[in-house]
Amino acid sequence: QKEVEQDPGPLSVPEGAIVSLNCTYSNSAFQYFMWYRQYSRKGPELLMYTYSSGNKEDGRFTAQVDKSSKYISLFIRDSQPSDSATYLCAMSAGNAGNNRKLIWGLGTSLAVNP
Amino acid sequence: DAGITQSPRYKITETGRQVTLMCHQTWSHSYMFWYRQDLGHGLRLIYYSAAADITDKGEVPDGYVVSRSKTENFPLTLESATRSQTSVYFCASSQYNEQFFGPGTRLTVL
Repeated sequence: QKEVEQDPGPLSVPEGAIVSLNCTYSNSAFQYFMWYRQYSRKGPELLMYTYSSGNKEDGRFTAQVDKSSKYISLFIRDSQPSDSATYLCAMSAGNAGNNRKLIWGLGTSLAVNP
Repeated sequence: DAGITQSPRYKITETGRQVTLMCHQTWSHSYMFWYRQDLGHGLRLIYYSAAADITDKGEVPDGYVVSRSKTENFPLTLESATRSQTSVYFCASSQYNEQFFGPGTRLTVL
């Protein structure tokens, strides 16, 4: 079993829909949680960063972390065609040495249709 | 330019040849990373470095060599390229937990 599980999709939604993307993990030591967006033939770009449990909102994007369930989510409100990309979750246990390594989900491919 | 750059962006080589992929960052971040990205496998860590002259293996280090004599540079060398090393290679850097990625190098080994 992988440390981080992420449904690869693909996920296809109409423009304006609310999108929910999720990852589950098995390592209770993870404290730092990130969502990256990757457009085709580009490098991953950091979208959201959360420490420990709770919610974080940035414009149309909301990241949620539920450490008790080992489950993280990314919500996209009023989705746009420009949101079409692959979304990767990543997490780490700490900020020094070996714990600095990020453990990655495989990514979910999202298509937002006009 | 500020940020993280990779060169070359595209490379075609033959089996058995040595290839070096370059990575340069202007943020003076302590940590730097090399990943490969393949369909079905996602991002896999090859090597990482916590500071100049400090490097460590990641998940898939075999067939690769790294060095870091300066904070800003982290070259990745394929000593004798194999077809299985055909992939997209990403370099990243970080000062805290978030990692920032370069644009990638698309490598084809014939």
